Amino acid sequence: SSGLTQDPTVSVALGQTVRITCQGDSLRSGYASWYQQKPGQAPILVIYAVNNRPAGIPDQFSGSRSGDTASLTITGAQAEDEADYYCASWDSSGNHLLFGGGTKLTVL
Amino acid sequence: QVQLQQWGAGLLKPSETLSLTCGVFGGSFTISSSSYWCWIRRAPGKGLEWIGEINYSGGTNYNPSLRSRVTISIDTSTNQFSLKLTSVTAADTAVYYCARVRRGYNLSYSYYYMDVWGKGTTVTVSS
Repeated sequence: SSGLTQDPTVSVALGQTVRITCQGDSLRSGYASWYQQKPGQAPILVIYAVNNRPAGIPDQFSGSRSGDTASLTITGAQAEDEADYYCASWDSSGNHLLFGGGTKLTVL
Repeated sequence: QVQLQQWGAGLLKPSETLSLTCGVFGGSFTISSSSYWCWIRRAPGKGLEWIGEINYSGGTNYNPSLRSRVTISIDTSTNQFSLKLTSVTAADTAVYYCARVRRGYNLSYSYYYMDVWGKGTTVTVSS
């Protein structure tokens, strides 16, 4: 598999909805997971297996998939949602995990 | 609730071996055969990079780009797993994280995610 592609930067107005996408061949056979990372902090899981949220993650975060593309949607973006977001999926052909390059989300 | 605490040397010289350990606290280290544990890093100005994983019985998978230099091991008696990366260079300077993996298959699709993370260890390689 050639990897996962994400837009490097995305911006959203405060309170609006934003979609972050992730595209790659591995997503045709593997579910994406999504991670939020703020400066100086460890990543946290926000979505797994397409559209499942871990305990404590607000329902403003949701996920979806179509073909070779996975998406993370943040509804009603808040200032605290400003962070780097990474998608990941298992590459069955190479037996390793792929990360997208990350999307830096700016909340305006 | 499972927590991961990691430790290891933070300053290395080129050609030395990076060695980090991650301790698992507050839960079963070998919950099931689906319990995997992995290492991930983030170099300055770059994104997350998966280094490799190990399961409770010692089975491993590694990032192809690092495979020749990486060894991940596990000690179930002490609830720890470890990372060794040989012949480090400045390019290995990064924050290294350990994490718990959940993986499996659902309706012929694989799923893989890291739900518990260590706080990270900054490793700097400099002469």
